Amino acid sequence: KQEVTQIPAALSVPEGENLVLNCSFTDSAIYNLQWFRQDPGKGLTSLLLIQSSQREQTSGRLNASLDKSSGRSTLYIAASQPGDSATYLCAANRGSTLGRLYFGRGTQLTVWP
Amino acid sequence: NAGVTQTPKFQVLKTGQSMTLQCAQDMNHNSMYWYRQDPGMGLRLIYYSASEGTTDKGEVPNGYNVSRLNKREFSLRLESAAPSQTSVYFCASIEAQGQGVLTDTQYFGPGTRLTVL
Repeated sequence: KQEVTQIPAALSVPEGENLVLNCSFTDSAIYNLQWFRQDPGKGLTSLLLIQSSQREQTSGRLNASLDKSSGRSTLYIAASQPGDSATYLCAANRGSTLGRLYFGRGTQLTVWP
Repeated sequence: NAGVTQTPKFQVLKTGQSMTLQCAQDMNHNSMYWYRQDPGMGLRLIYYSASEGTTDKGEVPNGYNVSRLNKREFSLRLESAAPSQTSVYFCASIEAQGQGVLTDTQYFGPGTRLTVL
């Protein structure tokens, strides 16, 4: 069974800092890995998807990397803003059960002005 | 496009009552999923439907049934609700796995917050 762990569980930083959120997974035979953002009381919004053949993906101030051999992914947020405050979830797709995602418990990020 | 929509947004049930959670997507996606999210835990898969007319169990299917009514709609039914089913339920969909980033990206609805007393 794929297990996904996210560290830290919570993070509070001042505006402008560069951040790294960590995600580890136990089964390196993943098909892809997705990072999501969840605002309180809301659904999940996909931020980045990295295919197993890729090393990283970038979107604006966000950069996600994937290292299958070590079972790790990181989400880098540059120049953080208060609007980045949310819970960030990573999810691994093994590909065996079509589209099924294995989620971590999330990192709750607070960026204060 | 409305994306993935879910009804109702909130629901309170008494133990033993039944209800159906509705999900619809207007993106012409083939695969749909039901997850539940409990406090302090990641989302867990309840059931999924790889295509119209097919459904399969996920990690936590006990106490639930599903129906893939057509390509757009995927409903989740609780036949006899229990307090352990108090949770936030999310529906999701993807176009098709295996064809690239755009088709593999999973889209989620806003969730249904269910309380069973």
